[in-house]
Amino acid sequence: KQEVTQIPAALSVPEGENLVLNCSFTDSAIYNLQWFRQDPGKGLTSLLLIQSSQREQTSGRLNASLDKSSGRSTLYIAASQPGDSATYLCAVISSGGSNYKLTFGKGTLLTMNP
Amino acid sequence: EAGVAQSPRYKIIEKRQSVAFWCNPISGHATLYWYQQILGQGPKLLIQFQNNGVVDDSQLPKDRFSAERLKGVDSTLKIQPAKLEDSAVYLCASSLLVSTDTQYFGPGTRLTVL
Repeated sequence: KQEVTQIPAALSVPEGENLVLNCSFTDSAIYNLQWFRQDPGKGLTSLLLIQSSQREQTSGRLNASLDKSSGRSTLYIAASQPGDSATYLCAVISSGGSNYKLTFGKGTLLTMNP
Repeated sequence: EAGVAQSPRYKIIEKRQSVAFWCNPISGHATLYWYQQILGQGPKLLIQFQNNGVVDDSQLPKDRFSAERLKGVDSTLKIQPAKLEDSAVYLCASSLLVSTDTQYFGPGTRLTVL
């Protein structure tokens, strides 16, 4: 059974800093890995999707890496801004019998300090 | 392009009452998902439809939860009777074809069971 862990559970950083969020998964046989953002009272927004054959993906100030063999991914946020405050969720697509399922971590709550 | 729509956004009921949630996926998306997100946890898949057929309902508590997707478009998730532990956000998502495609999430319905 696939399990996804995110560390830390919460993070408070000064505005302008670069930061790293960590994600680990127990079964390395994944199809892809996604990072989502969730704002309070809202649904999930997909930030980056990394296919299992890829090592990293970049979008603006965000960079996600994937090391499938060690079961790890990191989300790097450069020059953090107040609007980056949100919960960041890592999720992997892996086979669950006859179907592929998205398994989520519990998320990292990011709070920006002015 | 319109996103995934859900209603209601909030619902408060007493235990043992019944409740229903509605979801309208992105136009043309064949696959629809219902997730349950308990406070402080990542979303957990309850049921997945492809068109109007059930692909995966292995984590749906079938003694009290039911879902349907008539005509392969809109979907309804019902809880009857509700328990205190059903308090959560219920997220609907859709993807173009299969579960390995990017999933787009609605804003969710926050259910409080008293």
